[in-house]
Amino acid sequence: AQSVTQLGSHVSVSEGALVLLRCNYSSSVPPYLFWYVQYPNQGLQLLLKYTSAATLVKGINGFEAEFKKSETSFHLTKPSAHMSDAAEYFCAVAAGTALIFGKGTTLSVSS
Amino acid sequence: NAGVTQTPKFRILKIGQSMTLQCTQDMNHNYMYWYRQDPGMGLKLIYYSVGAGITDKGEVPNGYNVSRSTTEDFPLRLELAAPSQTSVYFCASSPTGISGYTFGSGTRLTVV
Repeated sequence: AQSVTQLGSHVSVSEGALVLLRCNYSSSVPPYLFWYVQYPNQGLQLLLKYTSAATLVKGINGFEAEFKKSETSFHLTKPSAHMSDAAEYFCAVAAGTALIFGKGTTLSVSS
Repeated sequence: NAGVTQTPKFRILKIGQSMTLQCTQDMNHNYMYWYRQDPGMGLKLIYYSVGAGITDKGEVPNGYNVSRSTTEDFPLRLELAAPSQTSVYFCASSPTGISGYTFGSGTRLTVV
């Protein structure tokens, strides 16, 4: 069965610092992996997705994620945090015709 | 292009009342989903549909029902509301299921 685990429910960074949000997956088949962002009182928005093409995936707003099969990881990074990046981030894996989501990581950005 | 539209945005129900959460999409997506989001728990799948006339249970279907009579609409019915159903409900649609979702803006439901 497929699942994802997000390490750290809350991450705090300073503006301009590196953002690293961790996601590990478990899958019995080659996984399709996703990162979504949720701003307060809004729905989820797709940041990026991995569908077995290039292992380094670039998304919107300067985010990228690297698929590492040996580590079963799909961590989300951004070189320089901006105040507008403060939000909740969800990692997800495709399981059949639906997505299974992690519990989320709240990113706080301080000036 | 409206995408996925959910109504209402907020609702307060009394224990034992019933209601329908509406969801409609204008992208001609075959796949539609209902999730609930609780703090610190991520999103849990309630029901999903792979096309008109076809629905199936997700991880947490108890206390809910769905129907899919058209491609566009996927309403979620709550019968005999309970405090445990206090949550934020999201509807989503997808062209293939594994290509990623488009989400609605959610319905915040409180059962008192």
